[in-house]
Amino acid sequence: AQSVSQHNHHVILSEAASLELGCNYSYGGTVNLFWYVQYPGQHLQLLLKYFSGDPLVKGIKGFEAEFIKSKFSFNLRKPSVQWSDTAEYFCAVIVNTGFQKLVFGTGTRLLVSP
Amino acid sequence: DAGITQSPRHKVTETGTPVTLRCHQTENHRYMYWYRQDPGHGLRLIHYSYGVKDTDKGEVSDGYSVSRSKTEDFLLTLESATSSQTSVYFCAISQTSGAYNEQFFGPGTRLTVL
Repeated sequence: AQSVSQHNHHVILSEAASLELGCNYSYGGTVNLFWYVQYPGQHLQLLLKYFSGDPLVKGIKGFEAEFIKSKFSFNLRKPSVQWSDTAEYFCAVIVNTGFQKLVFGTGTRLLVSP
Repeated sequence: DAGITQSPRHKVTETGTPVTLRCHQTENHRYMYWYRQDPGHGLRLIHYSYGVKDTDKGEVSDGYSVSRSKTEDFLLTLESATSSQTSVYFCAISQTSGAYNEQFFGPGTRLTVL
């Protein structure tokens, strides 16, 4: 079965530090990739998505992610985090076979200290 | 934000009682989903619907049933709630099921089964 791995379960950073959250998936075919964010007490919101084309994807709030097919990875980055980025981040994959369900990683909880 | 509401937003119930959660959308999207969110597991798909009266199971469907009698409403029922069903439940909607399936999430329902 397809799976998504987020190896960093908890990350603590100071404001202005750079962020990189890892995401790896296990499927050799065509995939579409997403990063969702969940701020404390809120629902999931889409940060960015990759469907095709330029593997470097820019999303909202200064986030970007790079799709590296050879590494089955879609890591999320931000050059300088803010306290307001404190949230839980989920990587998700759609595999393009059958009914294309969204498969989520287990999430990374980010705490940014002021 | 997508027009998705969930009710109730919070519920405490006792083991063995039936519980129904409601998801209502105003977007006229064809596809609707129920997920549960648990620490260390991310979001897992319970059931989904691809049209009125058309539903199918997700990866954690045991103990849950769903119904969709109208495009805008998707109900999740726990026939006899158990403590293992204590969780946060999210509804999601999407216009398509294909490779460009972008899902929008509701605010969630926090369910506690005592």
